[in-house]
Amino acid sequence: EPEVTQTPSHQVTQMGQEVILRCVPISNHLYFYWYRQILGQKVEFLVSFYNNEISEKSEIFDDQFSVERPDGSNFTLKIRSTKLEDSAMYFCASSLGQGPGELFFGEGSRLTVL
Amino acid sequence: GNSVTQMEGPVTLSEEAFLTINCTYTATGYPSLFWYVQYPGEGLQLLLKATKADDKGSNKGFEATYRKETTSFHLEKGSVQVSDSAVYFCALRLRETSGSRLTFGEGTQLTVNP
Repeated sequence: EPEVTQTPSHQVTQMGQEVILRCVPISNHLYFYWYRQILGQKVEFLVSFYNNEISEKSEIFDDQFSVERPDGSNFTLKIRSTKLEDSAMYFCASSLGQGPGELFFGEGSRLTVL
Repeated sequence: GNSVTQMEGPVTLSEEAFLTINCTYTATGYPSLFWYVQYPGEGLQLLLKATKADDKGSNKGFEATYRKETTSFHLEKGSVQVSDSAVYFCALRLRETSGSRLTFGEGTQLTVNP
C-alpha cells in the first residue's frame, strides 16, 4: 500500500540552527501539506502546496518557514533559524485532490530544539 | 472561525466495553467531518468520514453520525479491543474554500486493557 514517508524520525538541534524536514508523498498525489503538533496541543495546519507553489498557509507559517519540492518526489519543510517553541511533531500529508477526500499522513518527524 | 472540540482524555476501558468519544464542531460553512487514528509509532490514518448531514461513517466497527442540529460527530464502538488503543482525532474540512486544510480537535488517548 502506498504511503507517505518522512525523515528524520527525530532531530535534535540547537536554537538558531537551520533544519530541513523531508517527506516523500504518495507518487500520484498532487497536493502536499505540513502540519505540526506541539506536545499536548492540537494538530495545526501549517501550509499546503500545489503546482509548485503555496496554495494556503496559516498564521504560524511565517518568514522563517519555507517549503520546496526540489525534484519530482521530495517535499521539504525548512525552518531557517529554529526557536525553542518550534519543538513539535511535524506531519507531512498528501492528497490526490482537494475535495472532501482523505489526506494521507506520514509518521511524523519529531523536532527538539535545545 | 472553525474549530473542533473533543472530550478530554485519556480514556481507559476494559476489552469489550462500549466506547464513545465526543466531538463537536464550529464551522462557518458546510464541513466534511473526519475521524483520524494514530496508533503508537505510526502516522495519522483516516478512520472514517461523513460529508453531509445525517451521513454515517463506519469502519472497523467504529461509527460516527454527522449531526448538523447538534454540530456533533461522536465516535462510537460497541466492543473495543486491546488493538484499538491509540489516539483519536476528530477533524473538519470545509468544502467551499479553495484550500483543503483540516482543522483538528485535541485528540483523545484511548487505552484498552485486556
